[in-house]
Amino acid sequence: EVQLVQSGAEVKKPGESLKISCKGSGYRFSEYWLGWVRQMPGKGLEWMGIIYPGDSDTRYSPSFQGRVTMSVDKSITTAFLQWSSLKASDTAIYYCARQSVYYYGNTWHPTFDPWGQGTQVIVSS
Amino acid sequence: DIQMTQFPSSLSASVGDRVIITCRASQEISENLVWFQQKPGKAPKSLIYGASSLQSGVSSKFSGSGSGTDFTLTISSLQPEDFATYYCQQYNSYPYTFGQGTKLEIK
Repeated sequence: EVQLVQSGAEVKKPGESLKISCKGSGYRFSEYWLGWVRQMPGKGLEWMGIIYPGDSDTRYSPSFQGRVTMSVDKSITTAFLQWSSLKASDTAIYYCARQSVYYYGNTWHPTFDPWGQGTQVIVSS
Repeated sequence: DIQMTQFPSSLSASVGDRVIITCRASQEISENLVWFQQKPGKAPKSLIYGASSLQSGVSSKFSGSGSGTDFTLTISSLQPEDFATYYCQQYNSYPYTFGQGTKLEIK
């Protein structure tokens, strides 16, 4: 079974650093892009970016470029999302998701499936 | 960035109803669109990719259509478990972007 398990909830103060994780299992971790999605309290989904574990190639949304860093450790099939200086506005649930690819209509279609359970991050003084 | 706009933002319907949710892209995205369902406190779940191809294991009550800039998600014969928030997302170009969501509530 393909599974993504994320690290637990975090409570941090503004200015602190943070690194959350997403461990993949049940598939060849290096061969699928893995993405991150933010959901602020009571709000919609925001696409943050994706990383290819095979070579750490990364695509960031401009909205998140420079604010977060995506990385992977292939040896432990784990992806990470980190902040060097948190702000209160980083309070949100962060989901990781594998970018699965399906062939349909003579072309390939990438979609986030499955998803991790989410990591709640609270930033408050 | 490609902007995705869903309407309505919220929708009240009854068990047994058929509903249609619309998603519009700010520029042409061919059929590079996926629909997700999210229930409260849960991670989203992929329903349809390629604008109209049903994800494996997803009920055939869900159907998608559209191409270019205008897309629809149709849910037939609503059941209590279908009341959730639905999102479209384009993957035509980076950054991939989501619509703001449509909350489907029980009338």
